[in-house]
Amino acid sequence: DTGVSQDPRHKITKRGQNVTFRCDPISEHNRLYWYRQTLGQGPEFLTYFQNEAQLEKSRLLSDRFSAERPKGSFSTLEIQRTEQGDSAMYLCASSQGRGSGGASRNEQFFGPGTRLTVL
Amino acid sequence: KQEVTQIPAALSVPEGENLVLNCSFTDSAIYNLQWFRQDPGKGLTSLLLIQSSQREQTSGRLNASLDKSSGRSTLYIAASQPGDSATYLCAFLKAAGNKLTFGGGTRVLVKP
Repeated sequence: DTGVSQDPRHKITKRGQNVTFRCDPISEHNRLYWYRQTLGQGPEFLTYFQNEAQLEKSRLLSDRFSAERPKGSFSTLEIQRTEQGDSAMYLCASSQGRGSGGASRNEQFFGPGTRLTVL
Repeated sequence: KQEVTQIPAALSVPEGENLVLNCSFTDSAIYNLQWFRQDPGKGLTSLLLIQSSQREQTSGRLNASLDKSSGRSTLYIAASQPGDSATYLCAFLKAAGNKLTFGGGTRVLVKP
């Protein structure tokens, strides 16, 4: 399977604990995105990487959230001191950059998501 | 202010009927617009992508149109099947941006 993968698929934690999620993008994609989706809503952008550089962060990404993409391949999203309001689906997506390889459309492909429940 | 609006929020149709899903956006300076399907508790599956220079895209029973001047996109699904039951989301990428901005989705139920 060459799609975007995420691990774990489900995480239940107690308030105040730290959690870390992993995303493996499609191998030839240099762009990686994190989104958060709450029940009944569309996904909201959190952050974006081009290769290993984190180029954009949403105001939704409080100082308890940190994301890394150390070698420009997989990425991790860590939430420290979790709160009940952090309960959501965390989605990762990847794409080829605009203009790369000729006719890139910058189409984003999503992984299956990590469902976080904070008790 | 809602940047992307999807109406209706929910839709129920008998099998075989054509589906028409609407997406309105406020920013005309878009790079592309994507339609996604999401099954309950799952990730997003990309259905169609329309570049800003295009008016429509087709894939099998799916057809999506784009009218930038009016800020609208429509997804048509012909001859609906129970397997088409899902939530459909539209999202646009700004011309000078990197993030997708999503609508709230339309939840579709196709009854056998």
